[in-house]
Amino acid sequence: QAVLTQPASLSASPGASASLACTLRSGINVGAYRIYWYQQKPGSPPQYLLNYKSDSDKQQGSGVPSRFSGSKDASANAGILLISGLQSEDEADYYCMTWHSSAWVFGGGTKLTVL
Amino acid sequence: EVQLVESGGGLVQPGGSLRLSCAASGFTFSNYEMNWVRQAPGKGLEWLSHISSSGSSIYYTDSVKGRFTISRDNAKNSLYLQMDSLRAEDTAVYYCARDWALDYWGQGTLVTVSS
Repeated sequence: QAVLTQPASLSASPGASASLACTLRSGINVGAYRIYWYQQKPGSPPQYLLNYKSDSDKQQGSGVPSRFSGSKDASANAGILLISGLQSEDEADYYCMTWHSSAWVFGGGTKLTVL
Repeated sequence: EVQLVESGGGLVQPGGSLRLSCAASGFTFSNYEMNWVRQAPGKGLEWLSHISSSGSSIYYTDSVKGRFTISRDNAKNSLYLQMDSLRAEDTAVYYCARDWALDYWGQGTLVTVSS
């Protein structure tokens, strides 16, 4: 079972909010991990968005709009990327990442469609 | 402005070797940890290796241990990835990324392993 699991796709409407989940493998407690988020558009390298460990321990990437935010859902053992006020330009692949067992691990990515 | 420019990619036969370079500018390279990440065609991101700012601490993902070697030359503001015993499954775009948070990425260089 993968360390980080993301839904393959998600659709949402312009102006709405999208909640992208990154679920940690059973036995790995999300509370102990810092989750990083990246956005990748076709033909471009990934761009760093933010990282989140707790409400008092989080960093926003340089120039990243505040409508991108991070959180955790402890009951689901998941990190969450919330995108509010969706715009067409937010259509992209989103990857989560964390440091686990002396290695960076990426989730499989979620393709967000804004329609 | 932070810039990372990868080079050295190309077509190589299975079992062959290739050395990738990443030229850094716009920041004090010697102060930052660095990473290599790859992305196979149509696939997700895979972290490969991490090197500390001094080069004294290095990590690899299991799939490249013993075949790939990360290094850096702080005097030349450059990061390297020596890739040996290449396989078809190593075909990917290879990115260098800055710092623990992978906060800046280069545009990538394509490596194709094929006979």
